[in-house]
Amino acid sequence: KNEVEQSPQNLTAQEGEFITINCSYSVGISALHWLQQHPGGGIVSLFMLSSGKKKHGRLIATINIQEKHSSLHITASHPRDSAVYICAVGRCMDSNYQLIWGAGTKLIIKP
Amino acid sequence: SQTIHQWPATLVQPVGSPLSLECTVEGTSNPNLYWYRQAAGRGLQLLFYSVGIGQISSEVPQNLSASRPQDRQFILSSKKLLLSDSGFYLCAWSAGLSTEAFFGQGTRLTVV
Repeated sequence: KNEVEQSPQNLTAQEGEFITINCSYSVGISALHWLQQHPGGGIVSLFMLSSGKKKHGRLIATINIQEKHSSLHITASHPRDSAVYICAVGRCMDSNYQLIWGAGTKLIIKP
Repeated sequence: SQTIHQWPATLVQPVGSPLSLECTVEGTSNPNLYWYRQAAGRGLQLLFYSVGIGQISSEVPQNLSASRPQDRQFILSSKKLLLSDSGFYLCAWSAGLSTEAFFGQGTRLTVV
């Protein structure tokens, strides 16, 4: 079993829909990261959080440390939100910071 | 503001040829630097990271090597490419431990 599991693997929705992508992990972490990878491959960091909730524009990320679960929400989705969304958990190991990556969720928003 | 540059964007190389991918960061000093590889349909795999000039840590034994000749320059190399080296390579930097990482645009390498 992978240490970081994302669901769903693929998600297709209509423009305007509320989107939820889930991330569960099985290890102790210092922080959880949500990133966005566009079709060309470039990766952008969306959020880094260790508790509670963060909001940036139409994106909201939440984390429940006790349940080892995080969600990324997109409100009023738009075709330009189509991308792969990646969850990664970070932890300090032997004086280094290790990132463990989920496999990603491919999101397609249809107009 | 900080920016990260990675080149080339795409590369097609024959098996057995050498490789050199370069990454530079502007606007910050003494960044932590990372090389990742993303194989098709899979998550990112950390290849190398560096916390300072000349300091390289390897996460996975392989056909690749990394060097950091200057504070804000990170180079990924191979003497002889294998077919299995094909993939998408990403350079990233962070200001320190437990902080956000910022990524370059990536290099899509195809070994033929």
